[in-house]
Amino acid sequence: DTEVTQTPKHLVMGMTNKKSLKCEQHMGHRAMYWYKQKAKKPPELMFVYSYEKLSINESVPSRFSPECPNSSLLNLHLHALQPEDSALYLCASSYPGGSSYNEQFFGPGTRLTVL
Amino acid sequence: ELKVEQNPLFLSMQEGKNYTIYCNYSTTSDRLYWYRQDPGKSLESLFVLLSNGAVKQEGRLMASLDTKARLSTLHITAAVHDLSATYFCAVYTGEYGNKLVFGAGTILRVKS
Repeated sequence: DTEVTQTPKHLVMGMTNKKSLKCEQHMGHRAMYWYKQKAKKPPELMFVYSYEKLSINESVPSRFSPECPNSSLLNLHLHALQPEDSALYLCASSYPGGSSYNEQFFGPGTRLTVL
Repeated sequence: ELKVEQNPLFLSMQEGKNYTIYCNYSTTSDRLYWYRQDPGKSLESLFVLLSNGAVKQEGRLMASLDTKARLSTLHITAAVHDLSATYFCAVYTGEYGNKLVFGAGTILRVKS
C-alpha cells in the first residue's frame, strides 16, 4: 500500500460545529503532517507528528486540535472555525528525520468550507 | 529562517518549447523536492534531490540541484499540454520533524 488516504473529501460546517478530519497511511512511515492550502498558495505546515508525538506546532489556533492515535492514523479535530479557515487540508507522511529520503507523500486532501 | 523563492510564478508556454523554472533558497540544505499539483488535486512527488550536482530526469522534466549556489532548476523539454499544472519546490530545513519550506509555486500553462 503506497498511498495516504483522507476522509472526508469535502466538508461543509457551520462556525459552531465540531468535526474531524481523518488521515491514514500503511507505508510504515513514522512522521505525519497536516498542511493547510489556500487557493493559488503553497501548502502551509500546521502540525508534525514524529513517532506519534507532536514535534512541530506552527502556532496554529487552538480551534484546530491534532491527534495521532497510532502510527498509521492522524486526526484533525475542528471546533468553532471561522470562514477564513476554509481551505484544502492536506495530510502527508514520510520516514522521520534522519532518514536519507524523507520524501513526503500527500493524501488527496479534504476541501473544507466554513459557513 | 529558510526562505525559498521560485520564479517565474506564472509561465505560459507554447507546445514544443523549452523552459526552466528556478528555485533559490536562503540557507544551507542538502535536500530539495519538486512536486506537481493539478487544479483541485493533491501534490504529486516528482523528484527528490539529495546531494550537490544531483540530476534526475523523468520524461520531459529534468531537475538539478546546486547546493553551493543554493539553486535548483526544473527544465521542461518540448512542452506538451499535459504538463500544465502548478509546480512547487520544497526545501528541507533540517529541523526535527522533517519540516519543508515550500516555494510559492509556478503555474505552468502549455498552449497548443
